[in-house]
Amino acid sequence: DAGVIQSPRHEVTEMGQEVTLRCKPISGHNSLFWYRQTMMRGLELLIYFNNNVPIDDSGMPEDRFSAKMPNASFSTLKIQPSEPRDSAVYFCASSISGRVEETQYFGPGTRLLVL
Amino acid sequence: QQPVQSPQAVILREGEDAVINCSSSKALYSVHWYRQKHGEAPVFLMILLKGGEQKGHDKISASFNEKKQQSSLYLTASQLSYSGTYFCGTDGSGNTGKLIFGQGTTLQVKP
Repeated sequence: DAGVIQSPRHEVTEMGQEVTLRCKPISGHNSLFWYRQTMMRGLELLIYFNNNVPIDDSGMPEDRFSAKMPNASFSTLKIQPSEPRDSAVYFCASSISGRVEETQYFGPGTRLLVL
Repeated sequence: QQPVQSPQAVILREGEDAVINCSSSKALYSVHWYRQKHGEAPVFLMILLKGGEQKGHDKISASFNEKKQQSSLYLTASQLSYSGTYFCGTDGSGNTGKLIFGQGTTLQVKP
């Protein structure tokens, strides 16, 4: 079975450009999580969706970040405009229904470098 | 509130044991343990729920003491494949899948 799929795997862009990260959760999973990982801040939750609805976006750094989940099999995380401090690895994870006792399965991540 | 992991790093020889601790200043409902190898995604190890249970598979086990608001991960007779960074993720509400992860403990197993 396919796991969580993310694209692109690597992204290099210049400051001020728009960046769109994509995620396809595991089929049948109804909860999707976006995480950001940096050396300084570790692994932090940005936003999560349940049944395509954003439940908690308190981790989204600022208005430059936005996330959507138009259907059960696709989500995007957009940064506009991008800044060098946004450089990080962005992970998408999914679980069956978002309950705390469920496993979250992580995708391979997108390594973003903003110059 | 981010959980605190200790130690930050540990170096072992193959066959030695290790313990990684995860402590929270808030009441916990669940603790999730993941291992991440360099350049890869975190991989799930196990979940412990409120109730003070202990779990294990293979030579990796964990305990959860809700009174002390902490969990410990035990790696027995470590193998080279155990090398990586271990993260605990905690949830205090029991209502959502929202996890807060610790800073990680880097484990290096040498031959």
